[in-house]
Amino acid sequence: GESVGLHLPTLSVQEGDNSIINCAYSNSASDYFIWYKQESGKGPQFIIDIRSNMDKRQGQRVTVLLNKTVKHLSLQIAATQPGDSAVYFCAETSYGNKLVFGAGTILRVKS
Amino acid sequence: EPEVTQTPSHQVTQMGQEVILRCVPISNHLYFYWYRQILGQKVEFLVSFYNNEISEKSEIFDDQFSVERPDGSNFTLKIRSTKLEDSAMYFCASGPTSGGKETQYFGPGTRLLVL
Repeated sequence: GESVGLHLPTLSVQEGDNSIINCAYSNSASDYFIWYKQESGKGPQFIIDIRSNMDKRQGQRVTVLLNKTVKHLSLQIAATQPGDSAVYFCAETSYGNKLVFGAGTILRVKS
Repeated sequence: EPEVTQTPSHQVTQMGQEVILRCVPISNHLYFYWYRQILGQKVEFLVSFYNNEISEKSEIFDDQFSVERPDGSNFTLKIRSTKLEDSAMYFCASGPTSGGKETQYFGPGTRLLVL
C-alpha cells in the first residue's frame, strides 16, 4: 500500500554498512526508472537511472536493480556514509514525460 | 555544473491572492515541468511544457493554474486565486532534448504558504 503523510518507511544503518532501499511499482508499461535523493528543504537530486531493457546498472557506490517480473526496483548504496542520510524516492515514466514518484524511504545513517 | 534555479525560496500569501513562481531551467533543455510536494508526502506531477505549449497536465492542474515561458530563460507557474490546500513545496524541473524520457533535474523548490 501507499505511505501517506509522515509515516514513511525508515531504514537505519550503521556507517560503513551497505544499504538496500526497495520500491515497488504497479505500471507494467513503465520503461524508465530513476532514483532521487532528497535532503531536508531541498529538491530531489538525481542519483541513478535505469531503462527497462536492463536489469542492473552501477554508478559510484550505488547500484540499481530492476526486476520487471515482480515490478520491483532497488537501490543499493555501498559503504553508507552520514551524508547519505536523506529521503530516497524512486520514480518511473510509462508514457509522456511525467515522473510518477513513489512514497519515499527515510535512510538514517548512524555513526 | 548547470542547475535549475527557482525564486523565491519562500512565499507567504493570503488566500485568494495570485502568486507567480519563477524558474530558470538548465539552458540547453527543452522540456520543463512543475511538481509539488505537500509536507511529508510524495512529489506529485503538475504539468509538462514543450515547444511553448503544455504537453501534459495532471488533475491538480486546474483552471487556477497556468504556465508560461515569457522569454528564453524563465519558466513560470501562476496560481490565480490561491487556496489553503495550495500550500506546498513547488519544484521546477527540466530535461534534455532527447524526447523527454531522460533524467529530469530539479530545482531547490519554492515553499508556498497560503494563510
